[in-house]
Amino acid sequence: SQQGEEDPQALSIQEGENATMNCSYKTSINNLQWYRQNSGRGLVHLILIRSNEREKHSGRLRVTLDTSKKSSSLLITASRAADTASYFCATDRAGNMLTFGGGTRLMVKP
Amino acid sequence: DAGITQSPRHKVTETGTPVTLRCHQTENHRYMYWYRQDPGHGLRLIHYSYGVKDTDKGEVSDGYSVSRSKTEDFLLTLESATSSQTSVYFCAISDPKQGPWEQYFGPGTRLTVT
Repeated sequence: SQQGEEDPQALSIQEGENATMNCSYKTSINNLQWYRQNSGRGLVHLILIRSNEREKHSGRLRVTLDTSKKSSSLLITASRAADTASYFCATDRAGNMLTFGGGTRLMVKP
Repeated sequence: DAGITQSPRHKVTETGTPVTLRCHQTENHRYMYWYRQDPGHGLRLIHYSYGVKDTDKGEVSDGYSVSRSKTEDFLLTLESATSSQTSVYFCAISDPKQGPWEQYFGPGTRLTVT
């Protein structure tokens, strides 16, 4: 079973627009992480937000966490064609294992 | 992908044959993981290791075994491959000394069982 579920499953935008992806999960967590996967490659860690944090920024990335709603969102501002990838949220409950969602496929059109 | 290699990168095998996938790291990370990735399922944990000779099952461990005789190597074995094990397999590493459990992934192995 998947702890995290991303929404939407697929997203297509124009370069320069913002992209927002959402993640919902079911049980309490220590932290929530977002990963990116380019086609045919392994996942790359983007950002981690702890359960006691509400918002975090890293470059063009903004992550929010609402533990009362068990949800998180990833915002990519001023998107670029190079941002085209799949994005996964992963929840950390036990400190050594992550549970991944099904991912959001983002396409940024030039 | 730096510091983590997987071999082979691609493999086609027949149903019923044994298959071993290798993950090798140069980062000296304590934890190593094997995932499979299938359309519609994201990544699912098969087995993980928390030290040499210390392993445990993940969410989808049936039909798989693992071994870790050295810090740097984590092997995944399909004793008798089935078509349902056709998938892309990823190895990952992490270490609590490096931060709160973020994982670093290898490039993946695409396995096709015919």
